[in-house]
Amino acid sequence: GAVVSQHPSRVICKSGTSVKIECRSLDFQATTMFWYRQFPKKSLMLMATSNEGSKATYEQGVEKDKFLINHASLTLSTLTVTSAHPEDSSFYICSAPLGNNEQFFGPGTRLTVL
Amino acid sequence: GQQVMQIPQYQHVQEGEDFTTYCNSSTTLSNIQWYKQRPGGHPVFLIQLVKSGEVKKQKRLTFQFGEAKKNSSLHITATQTTDVGTYFCAVNAGNNRKLIWGLGTSLAVNP
Repeated sequence: GAVVSQHPSRVICKSGTSVKIECRSLDFQATTMFWYRQFPKKSLMLMATSNEGSKATYEQGVEKDKFLINHASLTLSTLTVTSAHPEDSSFYICSAPLGNNEQFFGPGTRLTVL
Repeated sequence: GQQVMQIPQYQHVQEGEDFTTYCNSSTTLSNIQWYKQRPGGHPVFLIQLVKSGEVKKQKRLTFQFGEAKKNSSLHITATQTTDVGTYFCAVNAGNNRKLIWGLGTSLAVNP
């Protein structure tokens, strides 16, 4: 199946710093990618839809200035958590759809903000 | 907006027992997908159901799509410890390939 990579897998940062997470489709092109946030033992919460060459579409309640998304190429989307605070600590996962709507997920990034 | 309800939230079984998780929608669905997320891992696509009344099998897993296309189930026969994880259903929201997710059913299997 298709492969989606995500980097870094784990990051610990100080409060107030910004963290960039990369999501890459390794063997297919993805004009659309999705960014999710997942709390322990909870479901996936869609944050935004990343659109190649255009602005991301954010879900209600997600601050676009806080979570910057850039989708500059057909294989790369980035999520930047700006001025991170402890409440931003979470598991962030990206996904890319291929073919008949099946979504391939990256391995996720565990962010811990001290 | 569209929602999909998934039950139960948790299920604890003895190895060898069967397991079923259910998803229900108040509206007719175009399709439904099922994913499995192992502890510490990421969701992995299992299957997509499209046709009314469709039944698909993958070894010990049986997936059903209701006749009215408003509900679906995933049944595991004779669970094994490798079945441990959270099973999610997900449905398309419009034509932008965005998915709406059920809350998931976490399965624990006692050896």
